[in-house]
Amino acid sequence: GAVVSQHPSWVICKSGTSVKIECRSLDFQATTMFWYRQFPKQSLMLMATSNEGSKATYEQGVEKDKFLINHASLTLSTLTVTSAHPEDSSFYICSAAPREQYFGPGTRLTVT
Amino acid sequence: QKEVEQDPGPLSVPEGAIVSLNCTYSNSAFQYFMWYRQYSRKGPELLMYTYSSGNKEDGRFTAQVDKSSKYISLFIRDSQPSDSATYLCAMGTNFGNEKLTFGTGTRLTIIP
Repeated sequence: GAVVSQHPSWVICKSGTSVKIECRSLDFQATTMFWYRQFPKQSLMLMATSNEGSKATYEQGVEKDKFLINHASLTLSTLTVTSAHPEDSSFYICSAAPREQYFGPGTRLTVT
Repeated sequence: QKEVEQDPGPLSVPEGAIVSLNCTYSNSAFQYFMWYRQYSRKGPELLMYTYSSGNKEDGRFTAQVDKSSKYISLFIRDSQPSDSATYLCAMGTNFGNEKLTFGTGTRLTIIP
């Protein structure tokens, strides 16, 4: 299957700082990538659809100014959590689809 | 009513048993169906995908889709402790660059 990587796998930051998470498709090109958020023992919540060369499409209720998405190339999308607060602590996962969707390993964000 | 319904469990079965996991859905436009396995603190791993109705087998795993009943199943034969995970069903109307609709996930534990 296709491989999607994420970096970092775990990050701790202080309240008020910004954190960038990278999502890369390693063996295929992805014009579209998806960003999800997952709370403990809950299912995936789609945050936004990242489109290469254009603006991301955010789901209802997701603050676009807080969760900045940049799809810089056909293999890289980044999610920046700006002015992070403890309630932003969560597990963030990206996915990409050459055809069927493959997920990255996830990034655990802890805001102190 | 949610578009996709999945029993959250938890489901515990003895090692070697056959496991049946199920989802129902309401959107008749769904054409392709996936099963993901997610271990704790990891990204979902694609197990099986099927297009339209029918069965698909891969090793110990069998996916079934009954579009007339809007019902999909994943069977795991000869279950192993390593199969203990959360299983997510997902479905969509088109392959590729389109967001999926997920079930809530079923937590499965295989008891040695």
